Amino acid sequence: AQSVTQPDIHITVSEGASLELRCNYSYGATPYLFWYVQSPGQGLQLLLKYFSGDTLVQGIKGFEAEFKRSQSSFNLRKPSVHWSDAAEYFCAVVKGDDKIIFGKGTRLHILP
Amino acid sequence: DARVTQTPRHKVTEMGQEVTMRCQPILGHNTVFWYRQTMMQGLELLAYFRNRAPLDDSGMPKDRFSAEMPDATLATLKIQPSEPRDSAVYFCASGLIYTEAFFGQGTRLTVV
Repeated sequence: AQSVTQPDIHITVSEGASLELRCNYSYGATPYLFWYVQSPGQGLQLLLKYFSGDTLVQGIKGFEAEFKRSQSSFNLRKPSVHWSDAAEYFCAVVKGDDKIIFGKGTRLHILP
Repeated sequence: DARVTQTPRHKVTEMGQEVTMRCQPILGHNTVFWYRQTMMQGLELLAYFRNRAPLDDSGMPKDRFSAEMPDATLATLKIQPSEPRDSAVYFCASGLIYTEAFFGQGTRLTVV
């Protein structure tokens, strides 16, 4: 069965600190993977995507993610967070039949 | 700037009433998704369409929910009769095959 797991419901980091949000997927074939961000009262915005090729992908707002097949992971990173990064982050995977399935999300809190 | 448009943005209705939510996908996109977001369940895929044909609506309660695409510029999600447990934010998203989905701003539904 297809699933996406985001083990951390909440993460708190200080402004300027580095960030890593975890995502694990279960899927037999090479997955298509996404990270989205949702600010309060807004829809979801795509941060980055992985389809194939280079396993380190760059996204908007200074985010990057690394696909690791051996660990079935697609973790999101940012070297230095800003207060405006406080939001909810969703990892998603495309199933073979082109459904996009989302994890439960990780809410990021930023300490001043 | 192409975007997915959802109407209404907010809807408050009484239990038992019919609710219709509308979505205008991005022109040229051939895939439309309906998601429901709640605190408890996160983002649930209710249904999705390819070239206006329903591919999967297994996530929808069949007895009260229905989704249609009368034409390529309009997708609708209806609830009849509505119940308090249907209170949630409903998102429409559109995209192409095996690419990311672009989300609308959502319809916040409150059933009292």
